[in-house]
Amino acid sequence: QVQLQESGPGLVRPSETLALSCSVSDDSISSSRYYWAWIRQTPGKGLELIGTIYKGGSTYYISSLRSRITISVATSRRQFYLRLDSVTAADTAVYYCARRVGIYYFDYWGQGTLVTVSS
Amino acid sequence: QSALTQPRAVSGSPGQSVTISCTGTSSDVGRYNFVSWYQHHPGKAPTLIIYDVTKRPSGVPDRFSGSKSGNTASLSISGLQSDDEADYSCCSYADSAWVFGGGTKLTVL
Repeated sequence: QVQLQESGPGLVRPSETLALSCSVSDDSISSSRYYWAWIRQTPGKGLELIGTIYKGGSTYYISSLRSRITISVATSRRQFYLRLDSVTAADTAVYYCARRVGIYYFDYWGQGTLVTVSS
Repeated sequence: QSALTQPRAVSGSPGQSVTISCTGTSSDVGRYNFVSWYQHHPGKAPTLIIYDVTKRPSGVPDRFSGSKSGNTASLSISGLQSDDEADYSCCSYADSAWVFGGGTKLTVL
């Protein structure tokens, strides 16, 4: 079964850029069946899908982050990426990468990585 | 889109059954049969246990079942086991967006 693994800094200073990578264990990142997602969970709150990317590069971002977020993909490396600019303490969260089957459900997730925004 | 509403916590004894509700609106749970449920043990990757309201992925025991009535979806777990103690979150498609519930902590007494 496919495995996903997030990587990146656990501490980011306010106003700087949060950058995470997600490594995918198989070639499904090149499949037209799947979308690749970043989901976060802020302390004490539920999960929030913040954006997705399709293998062709088309993206979806939630409106509240649209001016600050960029998701990209490198299928040859089996990786996709999250970039979130101008972070604040409100961006402190556990960030998960996940695979979505069409529009329907997220069938595999990474373990998540805690990113703390603090000076 | 507002988050879906779940109870913060439920509990049950081994062997018993519990049900976790997930209440949305006519724009998400009520409109689409694209409700999914995820089990999350702390420190581990969340796992898909129900999709399309009632379907179970391969390998998920039939002790787990899903249903929907109106704007509320439900996850039922029968024959509770200690390993079922975890957080459970629902998710629904909602007009080009996806909304999650706030999560429910299941305690097996």
